[in-house]
Amino acid sequence: GQNIDQPTEMTATEGAIVQINCTYQTSGFNGLFWYQQHAGEAPTFLSYNVLDGLEEKGRFSSFLSRSKGYSYLLLKELQMKDSASYLCAVRDSNYQLIWGAGTKLIIKP
Amino acid sequence: IAGITQAPTSQILAAGRRMTLRCTQDMRHNAMYWYRQDLGLGLRLIHYSNTAGTTGKGEVPDGYSVSRANTDDFPLTLASAVPSQTSVYFCASSHLAGGPTDTQYFGPGTRLTVL
Repeated sequence: GQNIDQPTEMTATEGAIVQINCTYQTSGFNGLFWYQQHAGEAPTFLSYNVLDGLEEKGRFSSFLSRSKGYSYLLLKELQMKDSASYLCAVRDSNYQLIWGAGTKLIIKP
Repeated sequence: IAGITQAPTSQILAAGRRMTLRCTQDMRHNAMYWYRQDLGLGLRLIHYSNTAGTTGKGEVPDGYSVSRANTDDFPLTLASAVPSQTSVYFCASSHLAGGPTDTQYFGPGTRLTVL
């Protein structure tokens, strides 16, 4: 079967750095996405990786290792507004997105 | 303002009733999707449409139907609602299904409770 694993919840301090991991086992791979979802709101697109390596976008970076079935989202200089759930999704061989259950990130002052 | 709208925002429905959730996008996206999101689970695909006039089944299609008469609208119908269909429903769209950087954009969601 297809599986996306992420930690259920993480806590970090304002101004610090946090890394959210995602491991996947899917039938085929056509890219990995990270989305942010604030409570009660829709998911919004953060990043996309299809080749191995690091993609940097401001305070957020995303890393991919296809051989290890592994990705992480790195958030720097954490702000209170970063408190949200972070969803990892993999596009499989049928070009459908398979979603993880999300990681709830709690930021403390 | 370009984007995706969904209606209603929330609904409480008696079991056995028929219900249609509406979704409209004005981004001229080819592909549209319906997901449900339940606590502790990832988003699960119900149905999708790669282009107007075509639809396909996702991971959890039973009890739901869709139609895609035009590019903009993609309604989701529950023919006879059951309590297990209590969930938050998200509609999404993307420019071209399966494209190299195809990104899905989501509507605000419909919170449905079936009693």
